[in-house]
Amino acid sequence: DGGITQSPKYLFRKEGQNVTLSCEQNLNHDAMYWYRQDPGQGLRLIYYSQIVNDFQKGDIAEGYSVSREKKESFPLTVTSAQKNPTAFYLCASSSAGGPVNNEQFFGPGTRLTVL
Amino acid sequence: KQEVTQIPAALSVPEGENLVLNCSFTDSAIYNLQWFRQDPGKGLTSLLLIQSSQREQTSGRLNASLDKSSGRSTLYIAASQPGDSATYLCAVAGRTALIFGKGTTLSVSS
Repeated sequence: DGGITQSPKYLFRKEGQNVTLSCEQNLNHDAMYWYRQDPGQGLRLIYYSQIVNDFQKGDIAEGYSVSREKKESFPLTVTSAQKNPTAFYLCASSSAGGPVNNEQFFGPGTRLTVL
Repeated sequence: KQEVTQIPAALSVPEGENLVLNCSFTDSAIYNLQWFRQDPGKGLTSLLLIQSSQREQTSGRLNASLDKSSGRSTLYIAASQPGDSATYLCAVAGRTALIFGKGTTLSVSS
């Protein structure tokens, strides 16, 4: 059953902690993305990767880091430098070439709460 | 910078009504436009993708149109059902990623 999985579904972070959100896809997609969604807001792009071992900052990359060591995996680390990390985080993927000609598919999301 | 606007922010209709959701964008140089559905606390489900060269796409009771020159897209839902209640998001494709509107939250009452 092809798709995108994100874990955990809920995550709680204490002040000053780094936490890592997992995203895995078995769609054989080259491109992967991380978005952040706040209540009443549209999705905003954090990072994206068009190919393994390469990634680019999106509109709100400050306080976040990513890696892309494998085609199927694109983990996101929320660092202590991110001052307002409480949000819903969505991972997405698409075929080679990114969104230009390709439909983007989304995972179920991770809700991060800072205690 | 591309901006995407969705109006109205919320819409309530009785079951069976046909309805239209609106999406506008400021830069007509888009590659495609995608409509998504989001249920509360869930991820996004892709509904329709319209390439920039196309005028419309249909899937079941859903029909999406695209007018690049005027910077507008509409999502038409026929014979609405309570199960259609959700937030509908439109997104335009730039070269590297999607740019989203804030969504329209639809409530269909039985």
